[in-house]
Amino acid sequence: AQSVTQPDIHITVSEGASLELRCNYSYGATPYLFWYVQSPGQGLQLLLKYFSGDTLVQGIKGFEAEFKRSQSSFNLRKPSVHWSDAAEYFCAVGARSNDYKLSFGAGTTVTVRA
Amino acid sequence: ETGVTQSPTHLIKTRGQQVTLRCSSQSGHNTVSWYQQALGQGPQFIFQYYREEENGRGNFPPRFSGLQFPNYSSELNVNALELDDSALYLCASSLGTDEKLFFGSGTQLSVL
Repeated sequence: AQSVTQPDIHITVSEGASLELRCNYSYGATPYLFWYVQSPGQGLQLLLKYFSGDTLVQGIKGFEAEFKRSQSSFNLRKPSVHWSDAAEYFCAVGARSNDYKLSFGAGTTVTVRA
Repeated sequence: ETGVTQSPTHLIKTRGQQVTLRCSSQSGHNTVSWYQQALGQGPQFIFQYYREEENGRGNFPPRFSGLQFPNYSSELNVNALELDDSALYLCASSLGTDEKLFFGSGTQLSVL
C-alpha cells in the first residue's frame, strides 16, 4: 500500500525567507510523487511532479522539490516566500500501475507573516 | 487553467438523506476521479471513471456510487448520509489515465 506522511501540520515563515516542507512516502516500487497547493475555497493545483531522472525537479511559482530514495522523502522548497504563498500544501504519491490514483498526505498549512 | 466545474458549490443535507454531486470534466478529458477531503485532512480517493466504466475504487462503502456520461461528465451519489460524510468533495479530470489531474473547486457537503 502507498502512503504519505507530512510531519509538519503548520509552518509560519516570514516573507522573503526560505521555505521547506517535508514529505515522506511509503511505496514498494518507484513512486510517482506530486506536490499540490490548495488556496482557501479552491481546488488543488499541481506545483510539480517527479517520475524519474533528475532528482531535483522544478515547478511553478518558483518551487522545487528533491527526491531522495534513501530517505523516502520528497521535500518541497522555495528560496524566497511571497505573501501569496500562504496556502495548504499536499504531497501525494501514485503509480502508473494503478492509473495514478493518488494517496495524499494530511497537508501542511503555510502562514506568511509580513 | 482548469476547466473542471462542480455543482453545487455548497450543500446542506440531513442524516439519512441522499445527495448527488456533479462534475463537468475539462474539454477533451475522458477520465474523472472523485476525492473526499474531510476537514483538516488530505483528499482520499473514492473512485475513478474512465470512458463510462468504473476504473478502481478506494476504501468507501457501496452507498458511495458514481456514474460517467457519454460526454464524460460525472455524478457522485451518496445514499443514507452520515454525519462523517461532511466534507469537501473534489472532482479531477484527466486524459486517459494520464498523471496530470485537473481539479475542480469542490462541493462542500454538510450533513446535519
